[in-house]
Amino acid sequence: NAGVMQNPRHLVRRRGQEARLRCSPMKGHSHVYWYRQLPEEGLKFMVYLQKENIIDESGMPKERFSAEFPKEGPSILRIQQVVRGDSAAYFCASSQNAGVEENSPLHFGNGTRLTVT
Amino acid sequence: TQLLEQSPQFLSIQEGENLTVYCNSSSVFSSLQWYRQEPGEGPVLLVTVVTGGEVKKLKRLTFQFGDARKDSSLHITAAQPGDTGLYLCAGGSGGSNYKLTFGKGTLLTVNP
Repeated sequence: NAGVMQNPRHLVRRRGQEARLRCSPMKGHSHVYWYRQLPEEGLKFMVYLQKENIIDESGMPKERFSAEFPKEGPSILRIQQVVRGDSAAYFCASSQNAGVEENSPLHFGNGTRLTVT
Repeated sequence: TQLLEQSPQFLSIQEGENLTVYCNSSSVFSSLQWYRQEPGEGPVLLVTVVTGGEVKKLKRLTFQFGDARKDSSLHITAAQPGDTGLYLCAGGSGGSNYKLTFGKGTLLTVNP
């Protein structure tokens, strides 16, 4: 019974390169959420997606960041032209139903740690 | 902007001691969750509380949601080294309750 799978676990990119982070939700979950954990900061919501739809991207930086959750395959968080400030742990979570309910909690993956050099 | 302040930031105790960590806000939350996060891993949900004044127990852990739903506490009885980890609280707001507001966490170390 696989949980939320994220890959890669660690990603190193030079400034200006692109980073692609992947997330496969738990089986049976169609709601995916991306959070970012900056050093010395709490987890911050970025985006909420359902299959083929972006439901809420209010936490996404206005430029360089995009997310998708195609009909087939994992959810992708894409960061173009990375800068040092993008270095962080990026966590994906999934849930069976929309939102955070007592009977449908968020399940987090183990994150992708992005380092921009 | 909703904020959750967790205290203390760091806590180091001996095995067998009791401890309480706090999660406070000036905002009202429709639900509050506690997570534990180990180094290199994602947060793992411990409990969700939704009703003001609610108390939930999970073995040696007792969680309380404040009457006004602005604060919460986690009490651990007879702490064990296996309790070591980062404890995070997160609040959900009605309407967009998937958009959790996380505190920065309390890093607990239980020494044998």
